[in-house]
Amino acid sequence: AQSVAQPEDQVNVAEGNPLTVKCTYSVSGNPYLFWYVQYPNRGLQFLLKYITGDNLVKGSYGFEAEFNKSQTSFHLKKPSALVSDSALYFCAANAGANNLFFGTGTRLTVIP
Amino acid sequence: DAGVIQSPRHEVTEMGQEVTLRCKPISGHNSLFWYRQTMMRGLELLIYFNNNVPIDDSGMPEDRFSAKMPNASFSTLKIQPSEPRDSAVYFCASSLATVANEKLFFGSGTQLSVL
Repeated sequence: AQSVAQPEDQVNVAEGNPLTVKCTYSVSGNPYLFWYVQYPNRGLQFLLKYITGDNLVKGSYGFEAEFNKSQTSFHLKKPSALVSDSALYFCAANAGANNLFFGTGTRLTVIP
Repeated sequence: DAGVIQSPRHEVTEMGQEVTLRCKPISGHNSLFWYRQTMMRGLELLIYFNNNVPIDDSGMPEDRFSAKMPNASFSTLKIQPSEPRDSAVYFCASSLATVANEKLFFGSGTQLSVL
């Protein structure tokens, strides 16, 4: 079965510190991987995607993610967190069909 | 472009009533998705359309749920009769193509409360 796991429901980080939001996937074939962010009372917004090529993908708002095939991971990172980064983050994956599997989400809180 | 537009933003109804949620995708997008978000189950894909044709409705929970896309600029999700367990946020999303590597654009959602 295809699935995406986000092992942390909540991540707290101090403003200015680096942040990591973890994601692992189980997808048959070559995965297409995505990160989305959701602010309160809003729909999800696309941050970045990995399809092929360089394992380090850069996205919006200074975020980046690293694809690691051997660990089946796609962790989201940012070198220096901002208070405005506080939101709900979703990892998603598919394997060529039009059905995106989403993780359960990780709530990021950046503490001033 | 105004983005994906959903209406209403909030819907409160009583058990047994019919509920209709509406979505206008981004012009030019030919894939449309309906998702449901709850605390317990996270984001669940209910159904998606390619070129107005339903492709996969395996996520539709019961026969009480139905979705239509009569044209490229409009889709509805209907629940009849509604039940309290249907309370959730329902999102519509659209994308540019039928290929899987295109990003989704989400609407702001409809918060449904069934009393």
